[in-house]
Amino acid sequence: DVKVTQSSRYLVKRTGEKVFLECVQDMDHENMFWYRQDPGLGLRLIYFSYDVKMKEKGDIPEGYSVSREKKERFSLILESASTNQTSMYLCASSPTDTGVTEAFFGQGTRLTVV
Amino acid sequence: KQEVTQIPAALSVPEGENLVLNCSFTDSAIYNLQWFRQDPGKGLTSLLLIQSSQREQTSGRLNASLDKSSGRSTLYIAASQPGDSATYLCAVDTGRRALTFGSGTRLQVQP
Repeated sequence: DVKVTQSSRYLVKRTGEKVFLECVQDMDHENMFWYRQDPGLGLRLIYFSYDVKMKEKGDIPEGYSVSREKKERFSLILESASTNQTSMYLCASSPTDTGVTEAFFGQGTRLTVV
Repeated sequence: KQEVTQIPAALSVPEGENLVLNCSFTDSAIYNLQWFRQDPGKGLTSLLLIQSSQREQTSGRLNASLDKSSGRSTLYIAASQPGDSATYLCAVDTGRRALTFGSGTRLQVQP
C-alpha cells in the first residue's frame, strides 16, 4: 500500500512565524505535490516537484516555498505565516507514467495561524 | 484553463438507493480522471482512476464512466449505505502532472 505521511494532523502557529510542513512517501514516486483546501474554493495547487531539487509553482505559490532534498520527502515552508494561510494542507505523490498518474494523498494538516 | 464542475454540490438519499454523481470538465485533452472520497477533516482516498482511452472502471459497488468528447464523467454508487456518506471529488490530469479538482459533492446517506 502506498503511504503518504504528513508530519502533523493539527498545528497552531503565530502570525509571522516560519512554519514547516513535512511530507514523506514510501513508494519511490517521482512527483510530489502540496495543495491547500478551503471551503468554497476546493483544492488548489501550491507547488509541485517532479524530481529531487526540482520544483514548479502551482496556482497559488505566493507566501510559500518548498524543499525537496530527498526523493521521498517534500517540505512546504511558510516563510512568515499569516492568518489567511489558515487552511487544510494536503500532500500527494504520484508516479511519472503518463496516463496512469494515480495520485495518493496524505491525511492532511489543519493549520491555524493566530 | 481547465475547469472542473461537480453537480450537485450536496445530496441526501435514503439507504439502499442507487445514485449518480456528475463531473464535467472544460478541456477534453486529459490524460486521466480520478474519483476520490474525503471524510470530514481527513485526506483524500482514491476510489477509481479512468485513463483517457477507457470508458469506465468498476470497483465493488462503484462504477465510474468517462466521455472525453463531451467532457463528462459520472460516478454511480449502487445500493448506497450510511458508510458511503462523505464528500466525493473528481479530478483531471491534463498532463502537467498535477490534478485539477472539482469542488466536490457532499453525500449523506440516511439510515
